[in-house]
Amino acid sequence: SQELEQSPQSLIVQEGKNLTINCTSSKTLYGLYWYKQKYGEGLIFLMMLQKGGEEKSHEKITAKLDEKKQQSSLHITASQPSHAGIYLCGADASNYQLIWGAGTKLIIKP
Amino acid sequence: DTEVTQTPKHLVMGMTNKKSLKCEQHMGHRAMYWYKQKAKKPPELMFVYSYEKLSINESVPSRFSPECPNSSLLNLHLHALQPEDSALYLCASSQDQQVGSEQYFGPGTRLTVT
Repeated sequence: SQELEQSPQSLIVQEGKNLTINCTSSKTLYGLYWYKQKYGEGLIFLMMLQKGGEEKSHEKITAKLDEKKQQSSLHITASQPSHAGIYLCGADASNYQLIWGAGTKLIIKP
Repeated sequence: DTEVTQTPKHLVMGMTNKKSLKCEQHMGHRAMYWYKQKAKKPPELMFVYSYEKLSINESVPSRFSPECPNSSLLNLHLHALQPEDSALYLCASSQDQQVGSEQYFGPGTRLTVT
């Protein structure tokens, strides 16, 4: 079965610094999703990637899918307190369900 | 509008109570989902409805009973729950149940079973 590994598990970053979160799959990715979650709240959809080499940006967040479609990265430029939360990657599995990474907890230090 | 609404926001119930969670979306999505999320864990899929028909039941105990009255509404009926059922219950919807169809989540219902 397919598994997603996220790294790091947690990250403490000084406000204004850049950071990267990685998501690695044990199998080829056909749809890779990035979500953000604040504690006790719903998941906010950030971006979806499907094609090898694809890159998408929204405000200060950029997500990439590598050419082999087995790894994705989420990069935040000039981090702000509003970026704090848990970032989850999800992938389409063969049975039309989403499988999830374990999440990366991001803390922004003022 | 990419909003999925859920009510109530918080629910405390005894093990003998019967209650329902509600979810609504007006995006014209034809797939709707119930997830259960425990603290510090990713969401666990419970049920999927596709075109108002139950398409996936992830071996969920019968004390959880889903219902999809129409394409915009999804309910989760709860009866005789156990304390270990306490969790955040998330509803989501997507255009359909296909690869590449991103899911939009509601804010969740925080359920506590006493």
